[in-house]
Amino acid sequence: ETGVTQSPTHLIKTRGQQVTLRCSSQSGHNTVSWYQQALGQGPQFIFQYYREEENGRGNFPPRFSGLQFPNYSSELNVNALELDDSALYLCASSLVRGAPPGELFFGEGSRLTVL
Amino acid sequence: AQSVTQPDIHITVSEGASLELRCNYSYGATPYLFWYVQSPGQGLQLLLKYFSGDTLVQGIKGFEAEFKRSQSSFNLRKPSVHWSDAAEYFCAGWGNTGFQKLVFGTGTRLLVSP
Repeated sequence: ETGVTQSPTHLIKTRGQQVTLRCSSQSGHNTVSWYQQALGQGPQFIFQYYREEENGRGNFPPRFSGLQFPNYSSELNVNALELDDSALYLCASSLVRGAPPGELFFGEGSRLTVL
Repeated sequence: AQSVTQPDIHITVSEGASLELRCNYSYGATPYLFWYVQSPGQGLQLLLKYFSGDTLVQGIKGFEAEFKRSQSSFNLRKPSVHWSDAAEYFCAGWGNTGFQKLVFGTGTRLLVSP
């Protein structure tokens, strides 16, 4: 148990729809990162939020957006879903103290299937 | 571009035998390196990490990894594998981008035979 919880665990959407995934970070952690893990691949960095601001983004289009709330929980929103968005979405929390990076604590993920 | 490569997609090891999972990195400077394990239906768990100093790093569950700059490698080892070690293993690097972006390899699935 890492203390990072994600919801929902599984969901099915159709192309063009929108989805919101939620993450509750470990107590005391001020940073949340989101990763996309396609089947048979390693996780790919989507973006990171630190104190409610996006402070880093991977190679994902703007239809992937996020929020971080004052309690450091977070949402990942994906608009105009495409088939290739089908993946496991992982949330990770950490306490940023500068370099080197603090340990990332991962949740168990939300499995999104787009039909 | 910063990258991490895991050349083995699957590895099968007999229970009790030794294990070595390969990882190669491509970074301009020495990156911070990590090994994570993912069991089915689970998130990622950190096994060990290398930041600097001693090139042999000890982790949890009896795992260790050796950083070799000359070979750009960070291979994971375990002297005696248990059936419960069957999982997906990911090598990852962090290249000091100013935020915590981990670059993961594609993973190696470990199968443990009786």
